[in-house]
Amino acid sequence: QVQLQESGPGLVKPSQTLSLTCTVSGDSISSGSYYWSWIRQPAGKGLEWVGRIYTSGSTNYNPSLKSRVTISVDTSKNQFSLKLKSVTAADTAVYYCARDPLRYFGMDVWGQGTTVTVSS
Amino acid sequence: QSVLTQPPSVSAAPGQKVTISCSGSSSNIGNNYVSWYQQLPGTAPKLLIYDNSRRPSGIPDRFSGSKSGTSATLGITGLQTGDEADYYCGTWDSSLNTPYWVFGGGTKVTVL
Repeated sequence: QVQLQESGPGLVKPSQTLSLTCTVSGDSISSGSYYWSWIRQPAGKGLEWVGRIYTSGSTNYNPSLKSRVTISVDTSKNQFSLKLKSVTAADTAVYYCARDPLRYFGMDVWGQGTTVTVSS
Repeated sequence: QSVLTQPPSVSAAPGQKVTISCSGSSSNIGNNYVSWYQQLPGTAPKLLIYDNSRRPSGIPDRFSGSKSGTSATLGITGLQTGDEADYYCGTWDSSLNTPYWVFGGGTKVTVL
């Protein structure tokens, strides 16, 4: 059974960089069958896709966040990571990682989510 | 303001049917598959429908999806109290130089 688990600091100061990691278990991130995505959700609001990475390192980003986002993959650790720089209070949200299959259109496995608060 | 438009809420009595609409444009729904997600309170979203109308293993056939033109619809029949949740549609948008995932604003389903 595939599981995804987010980890990282729950509190980040304004103007600093938010860093999160998603650890994949039960599947190899190098299988080549999936993209690996980050999605966020401010409290009481809807879902916002942040970006995704393929095992080759190829990335796609949300145009509204592209200038501040970097997603990377570490196949040796079966992890992928998110960095969001120059954060503000508007970046406070629950951050989810998810698996995004190539063979069909839909994110089929999600992590439980981790809350990140931007505050001094 | 979400790229995809959903009604904020729908409601019905147990056993009844509800439908949730998701309206977009030719740059998203009109030319891409749609997926639907259920988010129970305090939990992560769960894939209900992919490729417009296909259900992952374990999703009951009470849930159905369809697409026509630039709109998609999620149907839930035999409504149960456990179906009370937020529901989101999602698709790929190619209106800008770089395509990206977009979601609807979510619809809260209430079982009366």
